[in-house]
Amino acid sequence: SQTIHQWPATLVQPVGSPLSLECTVEGTSNPNLYWYRQAAGRGLQLLFYSVGIGQISSEVPQNLSASRPQDRQFILSSKKLLLSDSGFYLCAWSVRGRGEDEKLFFGSGTQLSVL
Amino acid sequence: AQRVTQPEKLLSVFKGAPVELKCNYSYSGSPELFWYVQYSRQRLQLLLRHISRESIKGFTADLNKGETSFHLKKPFAQEEDSAMYYCALSRWNTDKLIFGTGTRLQVFP
Repeated sequence: SQTIHQWPATLVQPVGSPLSLECTVEGTSNPNLYWYRQAAGRGLQLLFYSVGIGQISSEVPQNLSASRPQDRQFILSSKKLLLSDSGFYLCAWSVRGRGEDEKLFFGSGTQLSVL
Repeated sequence: AQRVTQPEKLLSVFKGAPVELKCNYSYSGSPELFWYVQYSRQRLQLLLRHISRESIKGFTADLNKGETSFHLKKPFAQEEDSAMYYCALSRWNTDKLIFGTGTRLQVFP
């Protein structure tokens, strides 16, 4: 069965420090991968999505970047964190053409606090 | 532009009362509409999608294209329904979802 792993679960970082959040998917190949951010009062905002290795689309201008070095690995990064980067980050995957099946499968999330 | 609006941040009801979580959308084409739910300490998961036209855990949602709405309803709320509910849409046959800001449902005993 397919599973998605996301770590760490919580992270406290000082302003100006770098960030690396990792997400891996098991049990499927060539998934679409997504990074969402859940900020207070703003719901779930799509940050990046990827349809294949090295293919990244950014949905909103921001201080973050994403990379997909392997088929089932998706990394969210920042060189210098800002206070406004605080939030709950969710990784998700989907398989194109699933038809009636569930659209997106979500990881357990990372709560990032930038102080 | 695609947009999903959930006007209520918090909805509180007593057990056994009817529940309606509102969702309105704006999209020029034919969208797919979904409701996702996040129970305490659990992952965000799909509750139902409009093309399935089924009832899940007693919840139903009807797509009203005239009013561009996809409200989630349940005739008798249960305490275990307490959770965060997100309405979402995607373009037909794509995987990219646009979410609303979510509504927290609290069901009191």
